[in-house]
Amino acid sequence: QQNVQQSPESLIVPEGARTSLNCTFSDSASQYFWWYRQHSGKAPKALMSIFSNGEKEEGRFTIHLNKASLHFSLHIRDSQPSDSALYLCAVILSSSSFSKLVFGQGTSLSVVP
Amino acid sequence: SVLLYQKPNRDICQSGTSLKIQCVADSQVVSMFWYQQFQEQSLMLMATANEGSEATYESGFTKDKFPISRPNLTFSTLTVNNARPGDSSIYFCSSRRANTEVFFGKGTRLTVV
Repeated sequence: QQNVQQSPESLIVPEGARTSLNCTFSDSASQYFWWYRQHSGKAPKALMSIFSNGEKEEGRFTIHLNKASLHFSLHIRDSQPSDSALYLCAVILSSSSFSKLVFGQGTSLSVVP
Repeated sequence: SVLLYQKPNRDICQSGTSLKIQCVADSQVVSMFWYQQFQEQSLMLMATANEGSEATYESGFTKDKFPISRPNLTFSTLTVNNARPGDSSIYFCSSRRANTEVFFGKGTRLTVV
């Protein structure tokens, strides 16, 4: 049974700061790793994903994956008030459309001007 | 991508009654997943529904309480039986294609009074 743990639970950062969110998972066979973002009152939406060890950057967002340590993370450079949202890490076992997504508990991020 | 339409958007029901939530995909999808989300918390996977077979329920969710139907490849319904105030939450249907992210409907906000 996949167990996904996320930290911290909540975070308040000043505008312009670098923000780091962490996620650990229990099933070493996991293949796909996602970060979702959910603004208040909206549906979750995929932000970034990574499938192999290493780092991937898209704009102000960077995702790191270390499968050996069962850990991946999201880093936000130059955080903006519009980044304020619930961030959810998620793990999926395979690329198959049958494979289910298991979420962490979420990190509530507030970026204050 | 997959577009998922849920209805109703929100509902208020009396304790002890039942509520049905519908989810329609804009194209055929193999699996549909139902999630429950309490206020500002994580998404809990309730069940996976494949066409023509009984839904597979996650720990803590039962067929008697949350029966799910999947009569064809574009449609699914989730019923909340004998609704209680503790069932008040947002229910999301979701789906994905192979090698893609999971897409979500806009959610149904249920309040049980």
